Amino acid sequence: DAGITQSPRHKVTETGTPVTLRCHQTENHRYMYWYRQDPGHGLRLIHYSYGVKDTDKGEVSDGYSVSRSKTEDFLLTLESATSSQTSVYFCAISESKAAYTEAFFGQGTRLTVV
Amino acid sequence: QQQVKQSPQSLIVQKGGISIINCAYENTAFDYFPWYQQFPGKGPALLIAIRPDVSEKKEGRFTISFNKSAKQFSLHIMDSQPGDSATYFCAANTGFQKLVFGTGTRLLVSP
Repeated sequence: DAGITQSPRHKVTETGTPVTLRCHQTENHRYMYWYRQDPGHGLRLIHYSYGVKDTDKGEVSDGYSVSRSKTEDFLLTLESATSSQTSVYFCAISESKAAYTEAFFGQGTRLTVV
Repeated sequence: QQQVKQSPQSLIVQKGGISIINCAYENTAFDYFPWYQQFPGKGPALLIAIRPDVSEKKEGRFTISFNKSAKQFSLHIMDSQPGDSATYFCAANTGFQKLVFGTGTRLLVSP
């Protein structure tokens, strides 16, 4: 596995509470991504980062924010969790923006909002 | 709106048979088409990928066929094995390695 650690691996939280998921990489890759995986939708991009403090929105960014203060860490925050954010969240990293560069995925975080 | 459409949703193949998964896209700006394999409880892992200027790419038992004019591409798994049982996702790169994924195909290879 590429050096990607997601934490926590599982979390149950209540509606309306803030939640932060962490992605830590040891590969020194510049590009980092957060996806969510839901049945019938595949994986969808939430936010991505192309460097420290440089982030941008993906396809399904509403209700999520991100921060990247160090190359190795990319945080995903749900400011006020809703049941529709129950999902499996994956972090991915990529060395280059070039088209044929592999993206490596972490093991995922299963989040349940009750 | 799904930018990459994948079929079938599930597939059962006998050991030794050929598994075929199809994907179609609309955006001609996509410049890279990877296939990911995912086992339960794991993250997706790159299986094989193709550039749009190539019509076929083969790696071992796995082959991608790419039809640029039809905007379709498919994954063929030859001599399918029980260990190939997993969920497969096609994807397309929109730039900066931002991927759009198909909805996935759950493959079961029966012994």
